[in-house]
Order: sequence, then C-alpha cells, then structure tokens
Amino acid sequence: DTEVTQTPKHLVMGMTNKKSLKCEQHMGHRAMYWYKQKAKKPPELMFVYSYEKLSINESVPSRFSPECPNSSLLNLHLHALQPEDSALYLCASSQVPGLDEKLFFGSGTQLSVL
Amino acid sequence: QKEVEQDPGPLSVPEGAIVSLNCTYSNSAFQYFMWYRQYSRKGPELLMYTYSSGNKEDGRFTAQVDKSSKYISLFIRDSQPSDSATYLCAMSDNYGQNFVFGPGTRLSVLP
Repeated sequence: DTEVTQTPKHLVMGMTNKKSLKCEQHMGHRAMYWYKQKAKKPPELMFVYSYEKLSINESVPSRFSPECPNSSLLNLHLHALQPEDSALYLCASSQVPGLDEKLFFGSGTQLSVL
Repeated sequence: QKEVEQDPGPLSVPEGAIVSLNCTYSNSAFQYFMWYRQYSRKGPELLMYTYSSGNKEDGRFTAQVDKSSKYISLFIRDSQPSDSATYLCAMSDNYGQNFVFGPGTRLSVLP
C-alpha cells in the first residue's frame, strides 16, 4: 500500500463551523505533514509530525489545530476559519524525518470557507 | 532573490516534443533534488529523486543536476498529452531541515 488517503475530498464550511480533515497512511512512515496550496502556487508547509510528535509549526494561526493520534493517522482540526483559508490542503508522509525527503502526497481536501 | 526559481510557464508543446524544465537555486547546501508532477486538483507525485550532481534516467524522464551552476533540469522525451501537468522542482539540504518547492511550471502537451 503506497497511498496516502485524505478525507473528505471537498469541504465547504462557514466561518463559525468546526470541521476536521483526516489523513491516513499504512506505509510505516514516521513523518507526516500538512501543506496548504493556493491555486497556481507551490505547497506551503504548515506542520510536521515526527514519530507522532509535533516537530515543526510554521507560524500557523491557532484556528488550525493538528493532531497525530498514532503513526498512521493525522488530523487537522479547523475552527473559525476565514475566507482566505480556502485552499487545497495536502497531507504527506515520508519514511524517516529529516533523512529521506521523498514525500508521498494524498490527493488533498479542497476547502472552501464562506 | 528567491531561494528557488522556476519558469512558471505555461509551456505548450506538440505531442512528441522534447521538453526541458529548469530550476535555479541559491542555497549551496542543497544536496537532494526532486521533481514532482501535479495534475489538476491532485496532490504532487514524486517523479525523480537525485542526490548531489549528475544525471538520472527513468523511462522518458531524465533529471540533471549541476551543483556548480546551481541548476537542475528535467527532460521529457516523446512527450504525451498525459504529461500535461504542473511540474514542481524541490530540494533539501543534507539534514532534511530545509525542504523547498519551486513555484512550478505548467506544461501542456497538445495532441
């Protein structure tokens, strides 16, 4: 299994809603990542989990809250988002944090904030 | 100066053409060089991965790294309409702490 699975594929939410994005991989990878991608731009790193611990937080607003329940799962909890947060949210994993940057990406969640 | 620069395109070529995609960078600490392909509304997919300088070939794809010039290239031979996508170069240093994507080049291969 070489897939990173993300759900949901699409999400529309209001600014007062609370929602969660989910990501799962069964490749035994020990690093998992959240990226945000705006149209016609490269992915921007948000968070990195290494061995289930948050190792990098790229100054992301607190309305985004990551969670890594175990080595296979990664969640991104969303609360009180702004319209400018509308983007494609990508989850990725890699085998060993910092030593192997071969990132495997999921298909993403297309988020629209109204 | 941006850390990684890449011609944004869009680049349009006829089917069967040889495509050359390029990135330049400024950080001499970069050691690992990658090319990702991203189809519309999908996540990036790793195409090529090289360490340090040299060439690597995989089917119709060839990646070249020239560290002395801080320049990397991806060549696509016999391009197909299915190659139409955005191509992102990416690179990181020896400790994997500084991973950077280029801005991406949109490629269209016309039948």
